[in-house]
Amino acid sequence: ILNVEQSPQSLHVQEGDSTNFTCSFPSSNFYALHWYRWETAKSPEALFVMTLNGDEKKKGRISATLNTKEGYSYLYIKGSQPEDSATYLCAFHPMDSNYQLIWGAGTKLIIKP
Amino acid sequence: DGGITQSPKYLFRKEGQNVTLSCEQNLNHDAMYWYRQDPGQGLRLIYYSQIVNDFQKGDIAEGYSVSREKKESFPLTVTSAQKNPTAFYLCASSIMGRGNSPLHFGNGTRLTVT
Repeated sequence: ILNVEQSPQSLHVQEGDSTNFTCSFPSSNFYALHWYRWETAKSPEALFVMTLNGDEKKKGRISATLNTKEGYSYLYIKGSQPEDSATYLCAFHPMDSNYQLIWGAGTKLIIKP
Repeated sequence: DGGITQSPKYLFRKEGQNVTLSCEQNLNHDAMYWYRQDPGQGLRLIYYSQIVNDFQKGDIAEGYSVSREKKESFPLTVTSAQKNPTAFYLCASSIMGRGNSPLHFGNGTRLTVT
């Protein structure tokens, strides 16, 4: 059974501090890894789609790294702001699947002013 | 603005009734998906469609049905056979592709069955 784990489940961070959290996925049969941000009362929004081992992507203060050999991805937020408060989801796409994403349960990030 | 519209936002039904959730997109995407979210769990795929008049079961298709008569529309029917239908339902779409296309989501429908 394919499983995607995200840790921690929730995180409280002081405004201005930097933070990071983890997505663990199966290291074999890898095709792609997705990151999404889901703010309350809004729809999930795609942040990154990563396909290459060692890849690093950046969008403003948010960046992500990918290690397909060991099966993990980190999401970093630099200088957290209140608008970063959201649940961050990752999803693993296996090589042998058509359109099937395996989702983690998410990391809920709360920024304290 | 292009996007995905799900309606209604909240839906209440009595047990034993079928109910249909609407999903419309104007992004010209070929692929569309229905997910279910339960507390503390990752999104689970109910059905997906890659092209008009074709759709495939996901992990938890039992008790659900879909149709894809138009590219823009992918309605989900929750039938009385679904044992635990109360949940949050998300519709999504993507450009035709194999996993390296990001998903675009609607705002979701919260279904409560009593």
